Amino acid sequence: RKEVEQDPGPFNVPEGATVAFNCTYSNSASQSFFWYRQDCRKEPKLLMSVYSSGNEDGRFTAQLNRASQYISLLIRDSKLSDSATYLCVVGSYGQNFVFGPGTRLSVLP
Amino acid sequence: ETGVTQTPRHLVMGMTNKKSLKCEQHLGHNAMYWYKQSAKKPLELMFVYSLEERVENNSVPSRFSPECPNSSHLFLHLHTLQPEDSALYLCASSRTGDIAYGYTFGSGTRLTVV
Repeated sequence: RKEVEQDPGPFNVPEGATVAFNCTYSNSASQSFFWYRQDCRKEPKLLMSVYSSGNEDGRFTAQLNRASQYISLLIRDSKLSDSATYLCVVGSYGQNFVFGPGTRLSVLP
Repeated sequence: ETGVTQTPRHLVMGMTNKKSLKCEQHLGHNAMYWYKQSAKKPLELMFVYSLEERVENNSVPSRFSPECPNSSHLFLHLHTLQPEDSALYLCASSRTGDIAYGYTFGSGTRLTVV
């Protein structure tokens, strides 16, 4: 089993749709969790950290379920500019961050 | 200048050339990383430096040679590359032992080997 797995995608959704991505991780000792966004041919950029209590930033909501070892990202009212690859990242003390393979989202007009 | 800066942004080199990629960070971080990303593929960790010491080398061919002269600078020396080495090379930095914050990436060097 890979350390971090994500929905394979791609997700093709119309503008205004709500879309959710899931990510699972294998290391139960993991302590920090993030969603990164990577535009085509660009570097990954931090979208948001994921906290145990869940957190929201505008149209984006991140949830963490430690018992089931998964993280989710919900995007409401999708915009064309949300089209990108979304990377799940997991951190554990004493180890490098582990990146998931990414889920590609295309928001269609 | 702030953040993580990589140069050059684009590089085309022949298989017999020698070139170097440069990364510089002004964030006060003490760990730096080289990643490779081939087209439509996940990130591949190549090298990790922590406190200027190489702590990880993920079975990278010897034609890639990293150098970390201080905590702010990281180089990747390239020689006798193959066409399959064409990819986006990303540098990242972080604070060693601090997992509350993720990595900060540079904008990458897009390398084409001809």
